[in-house]
Amino acid sequence: GAVVSQHPSRVICKSGTSVKIECRSLDFQATTMFWYRQFPKQSLMLMATSNEGSKATYEQGVEKDKFLINHASLTLSTLTVTSAHPEDSSFYICSARLVGLAGPLAYEQYFGPGTRLTVT
Amino acid sequence: AQKVTQAQTEISVVEKEDVTLDCVYETRDTTYYLFWYKQPPSGELVFLIRRNSFDEQNEISGRYSWNFQKSTSSFNFTITASQVVDSAVYFCALSEAFGGSQGNLIFGKGTKLSVKP
Repeated sequence: GAVVSQHPSRVICKSGTSVKIECRSLDFQATTMFWYRQFPKQSLMLMATSNEGSKATYEQGVEKDKFLINHASLTLSTLTVTSAHPEDSSFYICSARLVGLAGPLAYEQYFGPGTRLTVT
Repeated sequence: AQKVTQAQTEISVVEKEDVTLDCVYETRDTTYYLFWYKQPPSGELVFLIRRNSFDEQNEISGRYSWNFQKSTSSFNFTITASQVVDSAVYFCALSEAFGGSQGNLIFGKGTKLSVKP
């Protein structure tokens, strides 16, 4: 249980185009989804927290107009990188938190397999 | 402020050696959770363990063991008789129950473990 998928797993796009990445919780509902970015040989950096039905909360330094996040349902969040540039090339990982739990499991995040974005 | 420090950037061992990955954390919360994740070359994060701040019992799972010591704010991870398949980047992470991070995961910088045959 608690499987999170991401699509696509790998994408190459040209500079100036937009790319949409989907994050789905396959067998559970998630009120909260998180988006991380990981540059080569670096740690995961939280970009934004996405709550179903409301606006995402972005971390300091993350441009919300560039990284559009939509969490339209309890099983789907999307990250759109608008007008992508080579410096946006990175590994993007989403995670999801289960609905309605208390205690330790409320702090558990289930991670997707990641999306490798290359902007040429 | 909350912080996770993994001082070892890279470790290289020979198969069958034991290896310990260090993790030191900082938090003002009395209730928090600590995690270890493995990230193999494929990139997918693999959950290894969650430990809450009230449970200082050490844990063993096969060749893996974890030593949680609140007195030194450490949550170290030991792999016994390492194998080539253990080669990966390992991340330690902290989640505070009530702190400013609102339950988000704060990751250390990771330790890259290379196990050579």
